[in-house]
Amino acid sequence: GIQVEQSPPDLILQEGANSTLRCNFSDSVNNLQWFHQNPWGQLINLFYIPSGTKQNGRLSATTVATERYSLLYISSSQTTDSGVYFCAVMYSGGGADGLTFGKGTHLIIQP
Amino acid sequence: GAGVSQSPSNKVTEKGKDVELRCDPISGHTALYWYRQRLGQGLEFLIYFQGNSAPDKSGLPSDRFSAERTGESVSTLTIQRTQQEDSAVYLCASSLRRGGQEQYFGPGTRLTVT
Repeated sequence: GIQVEQSPPDLILQEGANSTLRCNFSDSVNNLQWFHQNPWGQLINLFYIPSGTKQNGRLSATTVATERYSLLYISSSQTTDSGVYFCAVMYSGGGADGLTFGKGTHLIIQP
Repeated sequence: GAGVSQSPSNKVTEKGKDVELRCDPISGHTALYWYRQRLGQGLEFLIYFQGNSAPDKSGLPSDRFSAERTGESVSTLTIQRTQQEDSAVYLCASSLRRGGQEQYFGPGTRLTVT
């Protein structure tokens, strides 16, 4: 099946810093989503971005489908940005109906 | 509008007992998914429903796991003869329709098997 790798696995930053999280995937996709899992376990939708670039406030994301990677940018980090960030994809070739998740990037923003 | 809801939020059960987990998708969403997240891990896909079509059960880890959905509404995930390795958070998601549509997740049910 499709493989998803996220990097880095862990990231510790000071408040106000910028960060880039990466997601590599092994095959063509028709869905790519970025999620933030908060300390209570809730998955918050950040971006639905199978291709192109989107921005939402301090967050932006870019997916280059032809090169099979996506990047999530967080600017001016705040302590509330802490948590685990997951990338998830769905293979476009059929036969797969669920998202395949990466192992996540654990982000800690220190005050 | 209302998001995906799940119940119970927490469930503690003894090994060998059966449990039922419930999911209410977003109104109008025809596709419904179940995932499992073990402690410190990413999510793994379990099963998918689309309308009245036969579900895709390819991700179910064993025949102790089953799921039902009535039309395009509520779904229940049943785990029979629970084992300690079934302890996990079970998350439900829904999307407008099948395929590459954006999925929205519920808060999950935390299952602990003692």
